[in-house]
Amino acid sequence: DTAVSQTPKYLVTQMGNDKSIKCEQNLGHDTMYWYKQDSKKFLKIMFSYNNKELIINETVPNRFSPKSPDKAHLNLHINSLELGDSAVYFCASSQGQDQPQHFGDGTRLSIL
Amino acid sequence: GENVEQHPSTLSVQEGDSAVIKCTYSDSASNYFPWYKQELGKRPQLIIDIRSNVGEKKDQRIAVTLNKTAKHFSLHITETQPEDSAVYFCAASGGLTGGFKTIFGAGTRLFVKA
Repeated sequence: DTAVSQTPKYLVTQMGNDKSIKCEQNLGHDTMYWYKQDSKKFLKIMFSYNNKELIINETVPNRFSPKSPDKAHLNLHINSLELGDSAVYFCASSQGQDQPQHFGDGTRLSIL
Repeated sequence: GENVEQHPSTLSVQEGDSAVIKCTYSDSASNYFPWYKQELGKRPQLIIDIRSNVGEKKDQRIAVTLNKTAKHFSLHITETQPEDSAVYFCAASGGLTGGFKTIFGAGTRLFVKA
């Protein structure tokens, strides 16, 4: 029944590794997002896709690459992980840019 | 680009009192203003929203007001309860300057003391 599900919930890895986070929504929404929430709880948009098309790409290092195989999925791949990448990453979806967003439970990424 | 400022960053109230959180936005073309509640270790969840053609909206103990001229919007929680303790985020979206993306405020940590 989970509307927006992301995996894994926790990710502990070493600096320099490459990792992926997966996100799926079963709400039939057209728009999906990735947010980064740092230790101060600030929610910062990273990417947004609408019907598999990238529409928002914030100033994010190109080590971060989103991929949307279909409008129900938006995955995030991160290359060469750095200490500053440690954060909680939230996936979200909505029917449009000016509609309520439904968030996943978050992926807590810790870089050793 | 679009900017959303949120105050206060921390708010402590006694159970039963009211709590008010205020936000200002910069893009006058913004037309959708949601509020999200995030409990500790959980995901943000929408609690109420308002659109630019409405000045006020109420849902039980929660109300939101919007002043388009001043570009201000506020969240009002009455008869606060300990379970209202959380981080609250305002947001603004639909604006032209920001490329139609949703911009979040920095959050307000609300403590309700029993």
